[in-house]
Amino acid sequence: SYVLTQPPSVSVAPGQTARFTCGGNNIGSQSVHWFQQKPGQAPVVVVYDDSGRPAGIPERISGSKSVNTATLTITRVEAGDEADYYCQVWDSRSDHYVFGTGTKVTVL
Amino acid sequence: QVQLVESGGGLVKPGGSLRLSCVASGFTFNDFYMNWIRQAPGKGLEWISYISSTGSRIQYADSVKGRFTISRDNAKNSLYLQLNSLRAEDTAVYYCARRDMGYYYFDFWGQGTLVTVSS
Repeated sequence: SYVLTQPPSVSVAPGQTARFTCGGNNIGSQSVHWFQQKPGQAPVVVVYDDSGRPAGIPERISGSKSVNTATLTITRVEAGDEADYYCQVWDSRSDHYVFGTGTKVTVL
Repeated sequence: QVQLVESGGGLVKPGGSLRLSCVASGFTFNDFYMNWIRQAPGKGLEWISYISSTGSRIQYADSVKGRFTISRDNAKNSLYLQLNSLRAEDTAVYYCARRDMGYYYFDFWGQGTLVTVSS
């Protein structure tokens, strides 16, 4: 089955930039989506289709992708950005959805 | 506004059964694919099943195939998940989620319902 790998944790000071990856086999050919989940809450999409930004998501949050890696970047990090972040794709071979392992972002 | 409200979670013994429900409002339910996604305590997200808008297409994750059954009643704007042969590892918050019409991601989620499997 398709696997998406993320770093377990990232720490960043307020006002700095957080950047973390999502790796998967030939992910460059996939449409990658990103979710933010705060404690006790349901996930919320922050980036869809690699770099699309849903209404209400600040421009500080952006997505990008290369051949084997998708990246979520949060600039000018705020305390409110502290959360778990998950990448997600649809695996067309299995017709299943796959989530990454998740990255916990801690604001120092 | 779009709302998804799950119910039916609770404590059940290993080998037992449970039926989860999700009532949708604020959108045309029968236009959208719907999904169940779960999250074990302290763990990541796991997609477990989807059903197409008409119910003609269904898929399950390998971890639940043969034990869980997804269904929907478009007249009642409702999504269901029948959980059978439950195991301790099925303990999780179960979310229903709508799939975006254009892209393969989940654009709206419910608040989740907790299923605890324990003797």
